[in-house]
Amino acid sequence: EAQVTQNPRYLITVTGKKLTVTCSQNMNHEYMSWYRQDPGLGLRQIYYSMNVEVTDKGDVPEGYKVSRKEKRNFPLILESPSPNQTSLYFCASSHRGRIQPQHFGDGTRLSIL
Amino acid sequence: AQKITQTQPGMFVQEKEAVTLDCTYDTSDQSYGLFWYKQPSSGEMIFLIYQGSYDEQNATEGRYSLNFQKARKSANLVISASQLGDSAMYFCAMMRDIIQGAQKLVFGQGTRLTINP
Repeated sequence: EAQVTQNPRYLITVTGKKLTVTCSQNMNHEYMSWYRQDPGLGLRQIYYSMNVEVTDKGDVPEGYKVSRKEKRNFPLILESPSPNQTSLYFCASSHRGRIQPQHFGDGTRLSIL
Repeated sequence: AQKITQTQPGMFVQEKEAVTLDCTYDTSDQSYGLFWYKQPSSGEMIFLIYQGSYDEQNATEGRYSLNFQKARKSANLVISASQLGDSAMYFCAMMRDIIQGAQKLVFGQGTRLTINP
């Protein structure tokens, strides 16, 4: 089954404790992206990657890191999480092209205390 | 800059009725794509339908159709014969048509649709 898989689905943690949210897709998509969803602010892009070893900042990259060492994986790293990073996070992937539907993972709900 | 406006925060519809969810957009681009996504209460984001700005025919996918009116900059989602499982948040989104770049989706604020039995 074609899918984007995120882990964990839920996480409660404390300020300053490094965490990684994994994202894996099995559709051989070149393009991958991370969004966060917040009430009243909608979905905003954090980082994106157009292919292996190619990443770039989205609209709200502060406090996040990403890497793309393999085509299928695109982890989101919070080196020192803070409460304002409490949010619902989505990984998305698509074929690279000018306009492509993006397929989303099931989301990761992060709570930073 | 692109902007998506969904003016209906919530809608209540009787089961089996058709429902139209409104979406207007603002862009100076000539080439772009419009999308609708469904977000059930469980949280996942499900792709429903896509319309390209140069597509002459309105997109359809099963019970979903997109009423695209380019001159009015509107891309309304029509769900025919609504079902209880259609209760969810619905997002309209837009993507610029660019050769290299972010392929970023710009989302509206969403419409919460409730289907009553």
